[in-house]
Amino acid sequence: NAGVTQTPKFRVLKTGQSMTLLCAQDMNHEYMYWYRQDPGMGLRLIHYSVGEGTTAKGEVPDGYNVSRLKKQNFLLGLESAAPSQTSVYFCASSYLSPRKEVEETQYFGPGTRLLVL
Amino acid sequence: LAKTTQPISMDSYEGQEVNITCSHNNIATNDYITWYQQFPSQGPRFIIQGYKTKVTNEVASLFIPADRKSSTLSLPRVSLSDTAVYYCLVGGFQKLVFGTGTRLLVSP
Repeated sequence: NAGVTQTPKFRVLKTGQSMTLLCAQDMNHEYMYWYRQDPGMGLRLIHYSVGEGTTAKGEVPDGYNVSRLKKQNFLLGLESAAPSQTSVYFCASSYLSPRKEVEETQYFGPGTRLLVL
Repeated sequence: LAKTTQPISMDSYEGQEVNITCSHNNIATNDYITWYQQFPSQGPRFIIQGYKTKVTNEVASLFIPADRKSSTLSLPRVSLSDTAVYYCLVGGFQKLVFGTGTRLLVSP
């Protein structure tokens, strides 16, 4: 199993350009997440999805959109990139726990480094 | 969301036991405590999770006192490869929040 993969690994954008980051998982997980991590900081949740066709906002959703058309894929879009979106973006997935009150283990991808000039 | 407080950094030597304490004074009744490890240029990796008392796995132990307002991650006999950032997270379903973590540096 490849686990969680992210495409691309690195990208440079100019202000105002758009792009889509792709996350794929082969573990049949229900839940998927997008985080951003700025230098020296912890991860902040952008958006998440609890199943195919559903998405929800996280802590820092502004400037991003997401889609979950297939269970194994979770796309993060930047419609008009800004320098403040320069960051490392991590995707993660986890399975649906029978213990509803528990956040099950999240499996993370290797990250996408995005530089917006 | 429960806020956590951890030391910014810790130093240790190979072969020593390392204990990283996390404070979470406003932990909710249903919240679990989870620790992740992150190496440079990689995504975080799950280490251990617990609700109360003590939990042990092949990598670490997690000690949680009765009031659950803090927790301690214990890494036995650390090696150079344990140099990483360790995050303490508190929360329930879909409520996990990553803080800034503790940077552990293990020296020879």
